[in-house]
Amino acid sequence: GESVGLHLPTLSVQEGDNSIINCAYSNSASDYFIWYKQESGKGPQFIIDIRSNMDKRQGQRVTVLLNKTVKHLSLQIAATQPGDSAVYFCAENIPGNQFYFGTGTSLTVIP
Amino acid sequence: DAGITQSPRHKVTETGTPVTLRCHQTENHRYMYWYRQDPGHGLRLIHYSYGVKDTDKGEVSDGYSVSRSKTEDFLLTLESATSSQTSVYFCAISEGLAGFKNIQYFGAGTRLSVL
Repeated sequence: GESVGLHLPTLSVQEGDNSIINCAYSNSASDYFIWYKQESGKGPQFIIDIRSNMDKRQGQRVTVLLNKTVKHLSLQIAATQPGDSAVYFCAENIPGNQFYFGTGTSLTVIP
Repeated sequence: DAGITQSPRHKVTETGTPVTLRCHQTENHRYMYWYRQDPGHGLRLIHYSYGVKDTDKGEVSDGYSVSRSKTEDFLLTLESATSSQTSVYFCAISEGLAGFKNIQYFGAGTRLSVL
């Protein structure tokens, strides 16, 4: 999962396998969460969001799970492809405040 | 990149010189943001704007100023650049204040090196 430090957590998966990327968020008052994907040399790209009144949300090949009890968020990517190689990070929002962004996990897909 | 253009994309400058980074959007979104991204840190908010001439400070605003004279343009100025301001700078836009469904969309970034 994500953590503050100079080296990003890394995850390597075989092409076609499923990937699970984790994020521990910091504030129990956060009620809205976003996952971003950032490819090398590019800006963060929105993937999927979830509100705290849900515990699961699905998109195209991606699923976000939210466990408010332990303040944990995960992003599942089905049938991972080489184009999924990137840094993934979560963002949390407390109502009336700005987003707080995690440091990210680097995903490498092995062909 | 969601109709957001950052310029320049890369800049090398010397300590003590002024630097201005530009963000231009074509989405007519009300909110615009400047973030910096550094190893070991998540994106950190420098300043944001909630309308023309309306700006506010973020978490790491010291040494930075901003201006927004038109809806589509948001400028970030380093009055006297320091080596600690070497970073990648991202502009973001959103329709409303950070919160449910007010997703922030990001530009491609500006890599700034202060020597």
